Amino acid sequence: DIQMTQSPSTLSASVGDRVTITCRASQSISSWLAWYQQKPGKAPKLLIYEASNLQSGVPSRLSGSGSGTEFTLTISSLQPDDFATYYCQQYNNYPWTFGQGTKVEIK
Amino acid sequence: EVQLVESGGGLVQPGGSLRLSCAASGFTFTSYRMNWVRQAPGRGLEWVSHITGDSSAIYYADSVKGRFTISRDNAKNSLYLQMNSLRVEDTAVYYCARARNPYNNFDSWGQGTLVTVSS
Repeated sequence: DIQMTQSPSTLSASVGDRVTITCRASQSISSWLAWYQQKPGKAPKLLIYEASNLQSGVPSRLSGSGSGTEFTLTISSLQPDDFATYYCQQYNNYPWTFGQGTKVEIK
Repeated sequence: EVQLVESGGGLVQPGGSLRLSCAASGFTFTSYRMNWVRQAPGRGLEWVSHITGDSSAIYYADSVKGRFTISRDNAKNSLYLQMNSLRVEDTAVYYCARARNPYNNFDSWGQGTLVTVSS
């Protein structure tokens, strides 16, 4: 199975900050990576697919990059709605696997 | 509007069984591969099972293989997960999730149904 490792596990930031979350795969997954946002008590929401494509309706302050084994999710200017937990997911190989999550909290 | 609504969760003893359902609406159900993804309390996401639109291909995570069975009824726009031989570690919120065609990320999710396995 492909292991997905996110860093950091928790990130404390303020409104307006630029934040970056990293996701590393245990082997190359090309660009077959998605990012999700999850708020407490809610289902995950797809943000980015194929590493860098923004899902419809997702604000442009979010962006994704990377290929192979290293990927990043960047929020250019953190907004109150962005405080949540973020997960990466690889879909290069079955079984599809997720990172352990990165919680973005208010500093 | 795409809607996925899960039901069937509850409290069950170890070794017991439960059947989850997911009612889909707002899209052509037969055209989409569907999945179950679970989340243990306070933990991350774990993909559980996958089924193609015509049920011709089915996959399971090793953690549930041989105990869980995914199925769908396209006439009823419904997805199911039959869970047998339940273990304490199966306790989780179970989400029904649609795969974004033609790939295997998940573009629509239900609200989830909680399964608690405890004596």
